[in-house]
Amino acid sequence: AQSVTQLDSQVPVFEEAPVELRCNYSSSVSVYLFWYVQYPNQGLQLLLKYLSGSTLVKGINGFEAEFNKSQTSFHLRKPSVHISDTAEYFCAVSSGGYQKVTFGIGTKLQVIP
Amino acid sequence: GAGVSQSPRYKVAKRGQDVALRCDPISGHVSLFWYQQALGQGPEFLTYFQNEAQLDKSGLPSDRFFAERPEGSVSTLKIQRTQQEDSAVYLCASSLRSAVLLEKFFGPGTRLTVL
Repeated sequence: AQSVTQLDSQVPVFEEAPVELRCNYSSSVSVYLFWYVQYPNQGLQLLLKYLSGSTLVKGINGFEAEFNKSQTSFHLRKPSVHISDTAEYFCAVSSGGYQKVTFGIGTKLQVIP
Repeated sequence: GAGVSQSPRYKVAKRGQDVALRCDPISGHVSLFWYQQALGQGPEFLTYFQNEAQLDKSGLPSDRFFAERPEGSVSTLKIQRTQQEDSAVYLCASSLRSAVLLEKFFGPGTRLTVL
């Protein structure tokens, strides 16, 4: 079975400050990991994904995430946030090459001017 | 169209009514997925199609839920005898092929409220 834990339901951060959104996963086999962003009244959009290879993954809008197998984590980071980054962020996992993607409950990022 | 579209965007149903939710995937996309997102939760997998074949329906919560994709393009999720616990946003996603490595493109969702 696969599962995802997002440790923070809400993260307030001042504009231009760095941010880290935490994600831990569990799976008994090799995993693919994803971060999605959901802006108000819009569909989920893929930010980045880890499939294999380099553990540091760069995505759109200046976000990056690091896959840490020993800690079973895939935390999302951005060195300097903008107001436009205010959204909900979902970590997701798929294991064993299976189509089924399991999502976390989401973290609301609120950027404060 | 340019992306995945879903209709209606909002649906209010009285308990016991049947509803049908439509998903138009990106043209040419082989794979289609339905997810249910309850308030304050992440999306939960319902079912998956590859072309017209429904390959996985393990996430459908009860036999009141039924999905079809008869011609391998548009899909409909039907909920019979709706209950209050069915209130959620129903998300549809499509991808070009069946590999999990490929990006899924999500629609804006249908918000179902059962009174």
